[in-house]
Amino acid sequence: QKEVEQDPGPLSVPEGAIVSLNCTYSNSAFQYFMWYRQYSRKGPELLMYTYSSGNKEDGRFTAQVDKSSKYISLFIRDSQPSDSATYLCAMSGGGGFKTIFGAGTRLFVKA
Amino acid sequence: DGGITQSPKYLFRKEGQNVTLSCEQNLNHDAMYWYRQDPGQGLRLIYYSQIVNDFQKGDIAEGYSVSREKKESFPLTVTSAQKNPTAFYLCASSQRQILNTEAFFGQGTRLTVV
Repeated sequence: QKEVEQDPGPLSVPEGAIVSLNCTYSNSAFQYFMWYRQYSRKGPELLMYTYSSGNKEDGRFTAQVDKSSKYISLFIRDSQPSDSATYLCAMSGGGGFKTIFGAGTRLFVKA
Repeated sequence: DGGITQSPKYLFRKEGQNVTLSCEQNLNHDAMYWYRQDPGQGLRLIYYSQIVNDFQKGDIAEGYSVSREKKESFPLTVTSAQKNPTAFYLCASSQRQILNTEAFFGQGTRLTVV
C-alpha cells in the first residue's frame, strides 16, 4: 500500500463547477499537508499548505484536512479553464525529513 | 526575479553516457532537492542537501550522483549505472531545512535515452 493515494483522473468539469480533489494517506504522523499545481511540462508550484487538521481558504481554493480519517481535500470554486492542470498532494512530518507526494490528479475545466 | 533555474529543458543521452543536469537557485535557500517524476507516479526523491558540502540519498539514489559545492548550485549526474533514466527531473529548494513544506520547484529537465 502506498503511503499516499491519489486518484489520477482525469477529471473533466464544466467551467464554473466546484471541483473536489482528494488524497488519502496511511501515516498518522503526517502533520503538514500541501497541494501543488503542475501545468504540462512545467514544475509544480505550491498552492496551499496546512498544518494538522482544519480548513484553510485562499481565494477560490479551500484545503481541508481530516486527520481522523486520514483524508485531505482541495476544493476549487468557480473553476476556470486556466485551472486545468495536474494537482499533487504532498505530506510531511512523519518522523523524518521527506515529503511524500501523491501521483497527481489531472483536471480539465471545459469552457 | 528570484527562482530556480534548471537546464537544459530537454536532454538526450546515449546508452552508456553520463549526463549532468544543472540546478541553480537565487532564493538563498539552504535546502535543495532532486526529484524524478514518471507518469502515474508521485515525485520520488533522488538526493537532497541541507547545507553546502553535505547531501543525503533519497529513495532512489542508485545510478545518480550529486555535489553541493555552492549554496546556489546542486547539479545532478545521471550515470550509466542508472538503468531506466528516461524521466522528468525536478529540482527544488526550501528555506526550512527540516520540513520542506514550502518547496519551490524549477521547470524541470526532460531526459530521454536514445
